[in-house]
Amino acid sequence: SQQGEEDPQALSIQEGENATMNCSYKTSINNLQWYRQNSGRGLVHLILIRSNEREKHSGRLRVTLDTSKKSSSLLITASRAADTASYFCATDWLNRDDKIIFGKGTRLHILP
Amino acid sequence: GAVVSQHPSWVICKSGTSVKIECRSLDFQATTMFWYRQFPKQSLMLMATSNEGSKATYEQGVEKDKFLINHASLTLSTLTVTSAHPEDSSFYICSAGRGEDTEAFFGQGTRLTVV
Repeated sequence: SQQGEEDPQALSIQEGENATMNCSYKTSINNLQWYRQNSGRGLVHLILIRSNEREKHSGRLRVTLDTSKKSSSLLITASRAADTASYFCATDWLNRDDKIIFGKGTRLHILP
Repeated sequence: GAVVSQHPSWVICKSGTSVKIECRSLDFQATTMFWYRQFPKQSLMLMATSNEGSKATYEQGVEKDKFLINHASLTLSTLTVTSAHPEDSSFYICSAGRGEDTEAFFGQGTRLTVV
């Protein structure tokens, strides 16, 4: 079964706006990762945040992690058309840290 | 929801033998399937992309002759690890896409251990 659950499942925003996606998970983790997948393409790794970190930045991306709530958020600032894609959070399991479990993803559509 | 079934979930094989991993889309036609590999404590790495009826596109550094991918139908793709060696021990996961939908559906993954 999939552990990560992204919210919302689909999101449409105007170019230039910020996009926020959330992810919840069930078990204890070592780290949480966010991936992007463009239509017809494979996954692209965006950012990894470890369980002892609360926030991490990479370019226009900002990820937060709240282990007490077992949730994470991905913020994309100043969205661009090229950001249109599906975004997945993925977690490993604390007890089996060599396996990643992906959520179902959020489909983000940037409107021109 | 769309379901992707990957089999086997784990396999142990002897060095030098070949192992086949199947990835099936159970309730939709998968026009594209992706194969990933994950080493311990590392991110999932894309190995290849396969489209039904055509040759797979391999990522740089992935040996085509070692990792044979067949996407013979819209519901089945197979990955065969040929002449497996201990360094091929890894977690392999497939995902399937349908048409223009950007959503991807993942298999459960296969833990391969080569001894």
